[in-house]
Amino acid sequence: KAGVTQTPRYLIKTRGQQVTLSCSPISGHRSVSWYQQTPGQGLQFLFEYFSETQRNKGNFPGRFSGRQFSNSRSEMNVSTLELGDSALYLCASSDGGNTDTQYFGPGTRLTVL
Amino acid sequence: EDQVTQSPEALRLQEGESSSLNCSYTVSGLRGLFWYRQDPGKGPEFLFTLYSAGEEKEKERLKATLTKKESFLHITAPKPEDSATYLCAVKRTGGYQKVTFGTGTKLQVIP
Repeated sequence: KAGVTQTPRYLIKTRGQQVTLSCSPISGHRSVSWYQQTPGQGLQFLFEYFSETQRNKGNFPGRFSGRQFSNSRSEMNVSTLELGDSALYLCASSDGGNTDTQYFGPGTRLTVL
Repeated sequence: EDQVTQSPEALRLQEGESSSLNCSYTVSGLRGLFWYRQDPGKGPEFLFTLYSAGEEKEKERLKATLTKKESFLHITAPKPEDSATYLCAVKRTGGYQKVTFGTGTKLQVIP
């Protein structure tokens, strides 16, 4: 089975721009979660989507948004980028059922200049 | 709010020197505790899921155990390729809950 894929792997943006990141989960998985990882804060939960519905959300400003498509692929968008948004953005998929185990993609490294 | 504390923050071992990493957690009803390994610049790699106190799981040189307040990741006779950051995470029971991660233990195994 193919693992979780994320595109692009690297991005460089400037302050004020917006960015869209993409995640394709493991085949058959319907839950996709997004995390922000920085050296100081560790992994911080952004949101989770299951069957195209957001069913959980972390404590991030409204500039961070996401969506999920009918094929379970997910995108997250960050508008009006700030320097502090520089981070590794990780996507994790699970079957959304009782096992709960999440499998992570390689991440997208976002640098905001 | 759920809390996960990992110790030590960093650990340096000689090859073959066994040790344990600690994960203390506070959660109102544990649904699952997860261990991951993360190499620099990469996504976390799943290792174990533990569900109830007393449960143990093993994989090669790694063994994870769980009590009602903490989990241990025991590393037996580590090799340099075991060098990585080890992350612990918890998920509570009830509805759709998020997973809360600790900040990790950075392990370095010296040849």
